[in-house]
Amino acid sequence: QKEVEQNSGPLSVPEGAIASLNCTYSDRGSQSFFWYRQYSGKSPELIMSIYSNGDKEDGRFTAQLNKASQYVSLLIRDSQPSDSATYLCAAIGGTSYGKLTFGQGTILTVHP
Amino acid sequence: DVKVTQSSRYLVKRTGEKVFLECVQDMDHENMFWYRQDPGLGLRLIYFSYDVKMKEKGDIPEGYSVSREKKERFSLILESASTNQTSMYLCASSFKGLGSYNEQFFGPGTRLTVL
Repeated sequence: QKEVEQNSGPLSVPEGAIASLNCTYSDRGSQSFFWYRQYSGKSPELIMSIYSNGDKEDGRFTAQLNKASQYVSLLIRDSQPSDSATYLCAAIGGTSYGKLTFGQGTILTVHP
Repeated sequence: DVKVTQSSRYLVKRTGEKVFLECVQDMDHENMFWYRQDPGLGLRLIYFSYDVKMKEKGDIPEGYSVSREKKERFSLILESASTNQTSMYLCASSFKGLGSYNEQFFGPGTRLTVL
């Protein structure tokens, strides 16, 4: 049973649009949530982390967390072709101290 | 900036060889992790370590062992490489603690091919 699930994608959006990436998790004890971006052939790069319910904004990126619904999302505003990558959602569960559980990833393509 | 380095970007080995993959981090992180990543299977945790000489099995430890003799260095060992261990291997590190301390930072990866 997967503990972190992401919308399967692939997701294709036009340049300038908002890309919405979604993630649900099964462990109610999960405390911290992370979004990583991974370009093809490269390693994952941390772009956002969120620990409290609500929104967290960083430039064009907004992470949203709803612990009651066990739902995490990432919004990318004004999407650019350079945002085309695989986005990985990850969570640390209440009993998995230090270990991240990753979703399968969502492939995002931003077309000009 | 956190820096995690891995000994090789690309490696080609023969079946049955003993393979060492090394990872070094320069941020005094307590936790270090080894993952493999395969198309369609995502990131899978092989082993992790939360302190020197301490190790814990991840989800797929079979065929692998690890060594952590110094805090900054975490080695992954394939005792007898097999073709099904052809993969991208990723090392990561993080602080102990909660919240932002759990952010894991990844090395560039080693693409291992076993012939």
